[in-house]
Amino acid sequence: EVQLVESGGGVVRPGGSLRLSCAASGFTFDDYGMSWVRQAPGKGLEWVSGINWNGGSTGYADSVKGRFTISRDNAKNSLYLQMNSLRAEDTALYHCARGDYGDLPRYFDLWGRGTLVTVSS
Amino acid sequence: EIVLTQSPGTLSLSPGERATLSCRASQSVSSSYLAWYQQKPGQAPRLLIYGASSRATGIPDRFSGSGSGTDFTLTISRLEPEDFAVYYCQQYGSSKLTFGGGTKVEIK
Repeated sequence: EVQLVESGGGVVRPGGSLRLSCAASGFTFDDYGMSWVRQAPGKGLEWVSGINWNGGSTGYADSVKGRFTISRDNAKNSLYLQMNSLRAEDTALYHCARGDYGDLPRYFDLWGRGTLVTVSS
Repeated sequence: EIVLTQSPGTLSLSPGERATLSCRASQSVSSSYLAWYQQKPGQAPRLLIYGASSRATGIPDRFSGSGSGTDFTLTISRLEPEDFAVYYCQQYGSSKLTFGGGTKVEIK
């Protein structure tokens, strides 16, 4: 089955760190660029970060640049998001999403159900 | 950053009716690089339209997209019960990808 499954969410204090993972299955992972897209509770979608097929090119939203790092391990069919210096406004459901081709993703044709990150003291 | 404004915020319609959703960009979206997604409660978003008017794989032909420049439209020709959901537009004409705030299509 073609799917993306996120993990690693939880409750963390402001200033803390968390690492999210996304396991891909059912397709050739290194054929595609990948992204993280988040959704604050009851709110809309916000693109967070993207990475091309081999990890050689990345992009970040201004809201997370310098604090978050995206990476991938094609041997493990996995995508990661290292989140440091977390703030209350980072509280959201974080979705892993597959891009339309191998370069930095443009639009997303496969999404995971998400993992919830809550930043609270 | 390109800001996308979706209207209306909520659309109340009955099954069988036509739905017209608008997405307006703060500046021109190059090459009509605009996508539409559907999201139901508790589910991940689903790609409907890319390139402003191309339907994604498996999407019924009652869904259609149109527009260019700064004004884009998603039309659902005849609403089916499973179409009541939130719809988002997204531009990929710039490296900073952005989404609209969403339009909720609810049962009248």
